[in-house]
Amino acid sequence: KNEVEQSPQNLTAQEGEFITINCSYSVGISALHWLQQHPGGGIVSLFMLSSGKKKHGRLIATINIQEKHSSLHITASHPRDSAVYICAVIRRETSGSRLTFGEGTQLTVNP
Amino acid sequence: NAGVTQTPKFRILKIGQSMTLQCTQDMNHNYMYWYRQDPGMGLKLIYYSVGAGITDKGEVPNGYNVSRSTTEDFPLRLELAAPSQTSVYFCASSYSGLAGGWGITDTQYFGPGTRLTVL
Repeated sequence: KNEVEQSPQNLTAQEGEFITINCSYSVGISALHWLQQHPGGGIVSLFMLSSGKKKHGRLIATINIQEKHSSLHITASHPRDSAVYICAVIRRETSGSRLTFGEGTQLTVNP
Repeated sequence: NAGVTQTPKFRILKIGQSMTLQCTQDMNHNYMYWYRQDPGMGLKLIYYSVGAGITDKGEVPNGYNVSRSTTEDFPLRLELAAPSQTSVYFCASSYSGLAGGWGITDTQYFGPGTRLTVL
């Protein structure tokens, strides 16, 4: 079982729909990172959070440290939101920090 | 600012050849990272550096070497290319004010990637 699991793996939505992507992890972490990978391959950091909720435009990220779970929400989805969304956790180890990635959620938003 | 730049964008190697993937950032970030992304798989950390002269292994370091002689540059070297190294390679950088690893404010900035095929 992967330390970071994302669901769903693939998601297709109609423009305007509210979208939720989930990330569950099985290890103790210091922070969690949401990334967006565009169809051309470029990767952009969306959020870094260690508690609560963050909002940027139509994107909202929440994290529940006790439940080891984070969600990424997209309100009023648009075709330009079509991308792979990647969750990554940061955990401190005796040898330093480690960043572990989920396999990503492929989102397609149809007009 | 150019951000994080990587060269080349694409490369085909024969088994046993060597090459260096270049990565440069102009944001004065102390941390730099090399990742590989295999088809349908998550990103995996190869090596990272917390500052000039300091590098450390990530999750999948075998078959690779790195150096960090300046803050700006973090080249990744493949000495004896193998088909298992066919992947897309991403370089990233961040600024961390906390010792010992990634701080909670460490947004990572990624380069555009290098698509490497080993035949």
